[in-house]
Amino acid sequence: AQRVTQPEKLLSVFKGAPVELKCNYSYSGSPELFWYVQYSRQRLQLLLRHISRESIKGFTADLNKGETSFHLKKPFAQEEDSAMYYCALSGGAQKLVFGQGTRLTINP
Amino acid sequence: NAGVTQTPKFQVLKTGQSMTLQCAQDMNHNSMYWYRQDPGMGLRLIYYSASEGTTDKGEVPNGYNVSRLNKREFSLRLESAAPSQTSVYFCASKPPGTSGTGELFFGEGSRLTVL
Repeated sequence: AQRVTQPEKLLSVFKGAPVELKCNYSYSGSPELFWYVQYSRQRLQLLLRHISRESIKGFTADLNKGETSFHLKKPFAQEEDSAMYYCALSGGAQKLVFGQGTRLTINP
Repeated sequence: NAGVTQTPKFQVLKTGQSMTLQCAQDMNHNSMYWYRQDPGMGLRLIYYSASEGTTDKGEVPNGYNVSRLNKREFSLRLESAAPSQTSVYFCASKPPGTSGTGELFFGEGSRLTVL
């Protein structure tokens, strides 16, 4: 079974501080992992995917198969990063399983 | 190019009433999905359709039915609404690609309240 766990429902940091949103997964095969973001009054949208190894809006995420984790990181938080973040896993079928989400608030 | 369009955006039902949420995409995507979003539960997959003519259950299919009317449209029906179905419903579509990969494109959501 595919499962994604985001242990923090809420995360609050100050502007300029580092941010780390945690994501752990459970899957027996070779997973594909994604981070989605939902800004206020906007649609849910893809932020980044692990196979691209890209940095989007200063965010990066590294897949750690040993720890079954895919944490999202940004060295210096900005106020516009305040949003709901979802980690998601695709295990080979035509579907995506999401975690519970973390609401990130950046304080000025 | 509207992307994924859902109707209605808001709906209030009484327990036992039925309704259909409509979803259409204009991106020629093969796969379409219905999710529900509840506080503390994240997004949970209700049903999905990998291609026209096929539908499959997701994590929480009970109380729902779906129809993949054609490649563009994927509707979600509540035959007898219950208060537990109060939620925000999202439709999404995915472009064709290798199995399991690809970006989901979401609609704006439909907020349903069942009294």
